[in-house]
Amino acid sequence: DTEVTQTPKHLVMGMTNKKSLKCEQHMGHRAMYWYKQKAKKPPELMFVYSYEKLSINESVPSRFSPECPNSSLLNLHLHALQPEDSALYLCASSQTDRNPYGYTFGSGTRLTVV
Amino acid sequence: AQSVTQLDSQVPVFEEAPVELRCNYSSSVSVYLFWYVQYPNQGLQLLLKYLSGSTLVKGINGFEAEFNKSQTSFHLRKPSVHISDTAEYFCAVSRADFGNEKLTFGTGTRLTIIP
Repeated sequence: DTEVTQTPKHLVMGMTNKKSLKCEQHMGHRAMYWYKQKAKKPPELMFVYSYEKLSINESVPSRFSPECPNSSLLNLHLHALQPEDSALYLCASSQTDRNPYGYTFGSGTRLTVV
Repeated sequence: AQSVTQLDSQVPVFEEAPVELRCNYSSSVSVYLFWYVQYPNQGLQLLLKYLSGSTLVKGINGFEAEFNKSQTSFHLRKPSVHISDTAEYFCAVSRADFGNEKLTFGTGTRLTIIP
């Protein structure tokens, strides 16, 4: 298995809703990442998990809450989002956060906040 | 900190013509360099990477890139493009000493193939 699987593919939520994005990989990778990508922009790093511990938080608002229950799974919990949070949310993984071999990206969750 | 500049936001090319997508980087330390491709409504796929050694790197789908340390460039090339190459291309950099803990992307180049 050489994939990163993200669910759901599309999500529409209201500003008072609570929802979660899920990311799963079975490649034995020990680093996992959340990126946010606005239209026609490059991906922006949000969080890095290394060996199931949060190692980087790029000053992301608390309405985004990451969770790494085990080495294969990464969640992003969403609460009280704003319309400007609408974007493509990409999950990625790599062997570790110190290896040079690049990331494997999922196909993303397209989030619309109404 | 590292930074990446992709000067061309859009590049239109006729089918079967060659293409070069430009990438320049800035860093005070040694770096690893990557090219990713993003097809519409998809995630990013690694095309190729430069870690060390030979400065000419070959990747998937017939793409190659050349690392030029003196010009701090890592331009992507393909000798003959196909309609299926229409996509967004991102150059990215990470520190060689810390690996890809933080991957910094350029602003992207949209490659459009004209039939």
